[in-house]
Amino acid sequence: NAGVTQTPKFRILKIGQSMTLQCTQDMNHNYMYWYRQDPGMGLKLIYYSVGAGITDKGEVPNGYNVSRSTTEDFPLRLELAAPSQTSVYFCASRRTGDSGNTIYFGEGSWLTVV
Amino acid sequence: AQTVTQSQPEMSVQEAETVTLSCTYDTSESNYYLFWYKQPPSRQMILVIRQEAYKQQNATENRFSVNFQKAAKSFSLKISDSQLGDTAMYFCAFYRIGSQGNLIFGKGTKLSVKP
Repeated sequence: NAGVTQTPKFRILKIGQSMTLQCTQDMNHNYMYWYRQDPGMGLKLIYYSVGAGITDKGEVPNGYNVSRSTTEDFPLRLELAAPSQTSVYFCASRRTGDSGNTIYFGEGSWLTVV
Repeated sequence: AQTVTQSQPEMSVQEAETVTLSCTYDTSESNYYLFWYKQPPSRQMILVIRQEAYKQQNATENRFSVNFQKAAKSFSLKISDSQLGDTAMYFCAFYRIGSQGNLIFGKGTKLSVKP
């Protein structure tokens, strides 16, 4: 019963480094999302995908890139990490019309940029 | 643009008592969903309850129920018989049907259940 799986769970990056947060889901969901959560705030949408090969920007896309080569995987790439990208990142997914359009979240990835 | 407001940054309740968390939202849409998510210290986002805007009946899930007032754009969460495990951040979220599933979140309410 894996659901949405994110790796790594914790990571410390130096300013200017790059990294990829991995996300995979085994529920055959067509929609996938990346959110970030800053301290004391709700989640904000970075990027989303409505299916393999299709991605689009959310509210806060700057400094990030995504790809969706398969239905299952939706990696988030951070280029030239900055302290402002210190946050908790959540991957999520849903299937159109399924369970009242409920979005299911991964367990989060804690990223610190120093 | 839709907005979600949670006016109570922090609340506390005694174990076994009832507590209500407030949420208001602003939208011109008529078809949407509303959600309450729980985020314990582990930071995992856990769905608590869901309400479809076209349904007049308030959703319930065991000890959790909502008071959905569509005209007032209000969506409060009532937790009955509070348990220590209910201690968490609670986020209200809005989803407009047809918006590619983007959830709009409030800033959250930190609930502490005291023994």
